[in-house]
Amino acid sequence: NAGVTQTPKFQVLKTGQSMTLQCAQDMNHNSMYWYRQDPGMGLRLIYYSASEGTTDKGEVPNGYNVSRLNKREFSLRLESAAPSQTSVYFCASSVREGGEQFFGPGTRLTVL
Amino acid sequence: QQPVQSPQAVILREGEDAVINCSSSKALYSVHWYRQKHGEAPVFLMILLKGGEQKGHDKISASFNEKKQQSSLYLTASQLSYSGTYFCGTENSGAGSYQLTFGKGTKLSVIP
Repeated sequence: NAGVTQTPKFQVLKTGQSMTLQCAQDMNHNSMYWYRQDPGMGLRLIYYSASEGTTDKGEVPNGYNVSRLNKREFSLRLESAAPSQTSVYFCASSVREGGEQFFGPGTRLTVL
Repeated sequence: QQPVQSPQAVILREGEDAVINCSSSKALYSVHWYRQKHGEAPVFLMILLKGGEQKGHDKISASFNEKKQQSSLYLTASQLSYSGTYFCGTENSGAGSYQLTFGKGTKLSVIP
């Protein structure tokens, strides 16, 4: 089992460009999450999906959109990247809401 | 609202004990604890639920005081492998929808 996988591992964008971060899990988990981690700020929830077909905003959703493509995959899209979105992005999954979360390796994004 | 962790950083010698605290201004339903090593993804340690007992595994345990709206993580006889940043994540009672809010982390360094 690969657990939670994320692509790409690193990305550099120019201001205004768009991109999609991909996340997939092979643990048959129902819930999936996107976090961003900035130095000294901890992990902040961007969006989550409690189950296939549902998505909800987290603490910092502005500038992002998500798609729960199927039970395995949950993507995060930046429509028009800004320097303030420079961060490390983690995807996570859990069997159910409130359960132990398994994190992917992260995507390090730099917006110039 | 983000829980407050203390201390922000601590340095221990191998074999020493440490306590990390996590406090919330809101009533808590659950508290999660995760450890993150530098450059890696966070890894789950334990969940404490409202009304639940103190939990632990190996030499790491935690307590949850509902009245004080706080949790403490206890690391006993620390090992070099305990080094990393520890995050608590809190779920508030009556929040309606599930969201885990993480503290800013406590950096633990264990030296020989």
